[in-house]
Amino acid sequence: EAGVTQFPSHSVIEKGQTVTLRCDPISGHDNLYWYRRVMGKEIKFLLHFVKESKQDESGMPNNRFLAERTGGTYSTLKVQPAELEDSGVYFCASSRQTEAFFGQGTRLTVV
Amino acid sequence: AQSVTQLDSHVSVSEGTPVLLRCNYSSSYSPSLFWYVQHPNKGLQLLLKYTSAATLVKGINGFEAEFKKSETSFHLTKPSAHMSDAAEYFCVVRMYTGNQFYFGTGTSLTVIP
Repeated sequence: EAGVTQFPSHSVIEKGQTVTLRCDPISGHDNLYWYRRVMGKEIKFLLHFVKESKQDESGMPNNRFLAERTGGTYSTLKVQPAELEDSGVYFCASSRQTEAFFGQGTRLTVV
Repeated sequence: AQSVTQLDSHVSVSEGTPVLLRCNYSSSYSPSLFWYVQHPNKGLQLLLKYTSAATLVKGINGFEAEFKKSETSFHLTKPSAHMSDAAEYFCVVRMYTGNQFYFGTGTSLTVIP
């Protein structure tokens, strides 16, 4: 069984540019989560999908962040325009029932 | 309300000695509790989970954790540390009311040869 995959693994962009992160969950997992770890700080919740619906997006920092989950399969997280403080590691996770399975993360650097 | 507190940001042990990583939680309801490990440049890997069954939970790589409701703790232990255990460890709580996973701040484990 394939795990959660995230693309790209690293991204370096300039302030003001747009970046789109992708997450492919484990097949059959209805729950999909995005988390972020800003350098040296704790891992923070961004949002939660159940199938294609946003169940909870209370952790999204501002309207520069847009998440979608087309057809309840893969998800994208777009940052537009990116700011310096958006740098960090973005984790995606999927879950069927109890535990969550995490991807390896996307390290985003905004310069 | 719910939160997770990892009491130590850094722990150093000598190879072959026991490991203890502490975690306390606060929760209004019976939670599910997890320990995840992140090795350098790797993703988060599930070590073990507690979901209201046996209070002593065994995980991978010789790790185990004990759920103590009276102390609201879920400490992670291993009898004998190995060099490959050097990593960052996260205690995580999941509340079914909100369905989120809440992370502790992480404990960095160093194993000294």
